[in-house]
Amino acid sequence: GQSLEQPSEVTAVEGAIVQINCTYQTSGFYGLSWYQQHDGGAPTFLSYNALDGLEETGRFSSFLSRSDSYGYLLLQELQMKDSASYFCAVTPSGNTPLVFGKGTRLSVIA
Amino acid sequence: DGGITQSPKYLFRKEGQNVTLSCEQNLNHDAMYWYRQDPGQGLRLIYYSQIVNDFQKGDIAEGYSVSREKKESFPLTVTSAQKNPTAFYLCASSIPGQGGETQYFGPGTRLLVL
Repeated sequence: GQSLEQPSEVTAVEGAIVQINCTYQTSGFYGLSWYQQHDGGAPTFLSYNALDGLEETGRFSSFLSRSDSYGYLLLQELQMKDSASYFCAVTPSGNTPLVFGKGTRLSVIA
Repeated sequence: DGGITQSPKYLFRKEGQNVTLSCEQNLNHDAMYWYRQDPGQGLRLIYYSQIVNDFQKGDIAEGYSVSREKKESFPLTVTSAQKNPTAFYLCASSIPGQGGETQYFGPGTRLLVL
């Protein structure tokens, strides 16, 4: 079976840093992705980790530890527009679809 | 501009009626996917296709059907057998062999039952 666990809700203050964790149990593992979805909108790709370590893209960073079946998305200098749902997703093998977590709703407050 | 289009944005279904959701992409992607999203929930895979004239069931295929006659198009039919069809439906595409790590999503169709 495949399962991904992430917190359902997180609240953080504008300008602060927030970390959204994701643990996974899947039959195979190629990599971990993160997607952002604003209310009523479509998910958009944020990052992908295939190897252990930290990947940085502007204010967003993503981390993976394959041995711990764990990753996180780090958002720095939070802005109000970062309020959205964030989904982690696993690629079980090279030709199988992504498996998504249930998402973390991030609320950024003033 | 390349992208994925879905139509209509809102769709109303009467009891016992089949309805078809459109998905078109001009990204030249081989793989296409249909997901269902319920409020506060993640994305659940309905069907996917990695090549023209071939498709596979996802986790919740019952009550749905698809076709893939053209690379650009992957329509989803919600049949009368789907007893709880109210949801947000998302179509996506990707390039196979890249591990599926980057999927591009359309704007979605919200289906409501009258």
